[in-house]
Amino acid sequence: DGGITQSPKYLFRKEGQNVTLSCEQNLNHDAMYWYRQDPGQGLRLIYYSQIVNDFQKGDIAEGYSVSREKKESFPLTVTSAQKNPTAFYLCASSFFGDRPNNEQFFGPGTRLTVL
Amino acid sequence: SQQGEEDPQALSIQEGENATMNCSYKTSINNLQWYRQNSGRGLVHLILIRSNEREKHSGRLRVTLDTSKKSSSLLITASRAADTASYFCATDPMDSSYKLIFGSGTRLLVRP
Repeated sequence: DGGITQSPKYLFRKEGQNVTLSCEQNLNHDAMYWYRQDPGQGLRLIYYSQIVNDFQKGDIAEGYSVSREKKESFPLTVTSAQKNPTAFYLCASSFFGDRPNNEQFFGPGTRLTVL
Repeated sequence: SQQGEEDPQALSIQEGENATMNCSYKTSINNLQWYRQNSGRGLVHLILIRSNEREKHSGRLRVTLDTSKKSSSLLITASRAADTASYFCATDPMDSSYKLIFGSGTRLLVRP
């Protein structure tokens, strides 16, 4: 059953804690992305990775970190430096280089709440 | 900043009516895509239209693209209550490295 999964579905963080959100895909996609969505808003790009061991900052990377050690996995760490982390986080993946059809496939999301 | 801006922000229609939502963008694009998001879920890709295409159909969906006006529209015909969701346009700018830029979305409510 191919797809992209995120865990956990809900996550609660105390002030000053780092938390890591998981994203895994078995679609054999090269590129993976992390977005943040605030209530009633669109998606803002945090980080993206086009190949293993390489990633680039998106529009709102401050307070976040990522790694891409495996093609299938792209975990996102929300650090204590992120002052307003409460949001819905979406991971996506796509083929890299297939420009005319760079459709992105999304996971179900993780809702992070700071207590 | 967001490349795509959807209009209207919210739309409420009766089941069976058509729903039209619009997207405007600022820079030249390779393609424009529409996605759907049910409340609290991930996005699902609906349709992609390339910059050299003017119109595309998929089932009850019709998408148009006017590159001279930098705008696109999504028409959902004969709407159903199950179409209730948020709809986002996403542009693939010519100057980007495979990043999509999402608009703020149109929230569609289809009343039964």
